[in-house]
Amino acid sequence: GDSVTQMEGPVTLSEEAFLTINCTYTATGYPSLFWYVQYPGEGLQLLLKATKADDKGSNKGFEATYRKETTSFHLEKGSVQVSDSAVYFCALTLSYNTDKLIFGTGTRLQVFP
Amino acid sequence: GAVVSQHPSWVICKSGTSVKIECRSLDFQATTMFWYRQFPKQSLMLMATSNEGSKATYEQGVEKDKFLINHASLTLSTLTVTSAHPEDSSFYICSARANQETQYFGPGTRLLVL
Repeated sequence: GDSVTQMEGPVTLSEEAFLTINCTYTATGYPSLFWYVQYPGEGLQLLLKATKADDKGSNKGFEATYRKETTSFHLEKGSVQVSDSAVYFCALTLSYNTDKLIFGTGTRLQVFP
Repeated sequence: GAVVSQHPSWVICKSGTSVKIECRSLDFQATTMFWYRQFPKQSLMLMATSNEGSKATYEQGVEKDKFLINHASLTLSTLTVTSAHPEDSSFYICSARANQETQYFGPGTRLLVL
């Protein structure tokens, strides 16, 4: 079935380090892909999205490129900050049901000064 | 930005009792609200979708008589877990959307059934 797989956390980094959080998906058709972020005590927030192959979503220094050939949507940031500490969720919606978000398990990022 | 609140943020109840969780959109009118459940180390799973004034649409495998959803106004949806049992212990998250825009998520409610 349709699903999203994320790397297990926690990911622990020092400030200014390079971040990669892997995400791969299995889906029929042409899904849209998303990254959500959840800061402590808050709801999930949309971080970035891409709706077709080779699209790059970007926001707040984070980037992810929709790679259809490898069914991946890895999240990257060149220099993380302590304030980036949060849980990151990769998700997809299918073209025939854009209401239903299918999430990965989430990856906790901890950034230390 | 759009804010969605949930109440309570956590609840402990005895097996066999019913628990009601509220989801409110604070600064926008939500034509559609969604309820998710997350078990430890697992994904958020969509339970049901509700449109204001109509019956909720439940995902396959979700018991509609156990998880009662009411979306009586454009700013409030409630999820009632009826006759709760320990296996219903989970993290329940709602989201709200105005028309076809982005879903905005609440902070979640942790339910523990003893």
